[in-house]
Amino acid sequence: QLQLQESGPGLVKPSETLSLTCIVSGGSISGINYYWGWVRQPPGKGLEWIGCIYFTGTTYYNPSLKSRVTISVATSKSHFSLKLNSVTAADTAVYYCARHGVSWGFDPWGQGTLVTVSS
Amino acid sequence: QSALTQPASVSGSPGQSITISCTGTSSDVGGYNYVSWYQQHPGKAPKLLIYEVSNRPSGVSNRFSGSQSGNTAFLIISGLQAEDEAVYYCNSYTSSTTWLFGGGTRLTVL
Repeated sequence: QLQLQESGPGLVKPSETLSLTCIVSGGSISGINYYWGWVRQPPGKGLEWIGCIYFTGTTYYNPSLKSRVTISVATSKSHFSLKLNSVTAADTAVYYCARHGVSWGFDPWGQGTLVTVSS
Repeated sequence: QSALTQPASVSGSPGQSITISCTGTSSDVGGYNYVSWYQQHPGKAPKLLIYEVSNRPSGVSNRFSGSQSGNTAFLIISGLQAEDEAVYYCNSYTSSTTWLFGGGTRLTVL
């Protein structure tokens, strides 16, 4: 059974870079037709798609975050990562990683990790 | 890239049916049959309920169903149960090769 688990610091200072890793277990990160994505949810608010990566390394980003986001994949290590630079308090959110297809929906999801941006 | 439009809240009594709408444009919802729906309980990760407009993953109750008309997709929950009280989100693939969520709808079971 495929499982995803986010890891990374829970506190980041303003203007610094948020870095998270999603560890994939129980399946291959190299499967065709799947994208490995990041979704965030500010406290009390809705879901926002951040971006995703295909195992070949091709990336797609939310236009509103594109200038600050980098997603990378390490297929040999079965994990993919998110970097969001120049963070502000508005980037405080629960960050989820998830597998998704073009049409197949987001499933499974990681449990989510709260990242707070504060000095 | 604006979020897909969902009603902020809906409510229903146990046993009743409710419908949640999700409105987009011809560049997302209306352009593809790639709408999915999610249920999120407080403090939990979202759970996939419907994909490709009307398909249910294995293990999802057949009380949940989906449909689409033009630029609007619908999630129908029949035989409402107390455990259905949650926030529901729609999502669509877009012509820009991005994915877009709705703002979420809070379902209250009266």
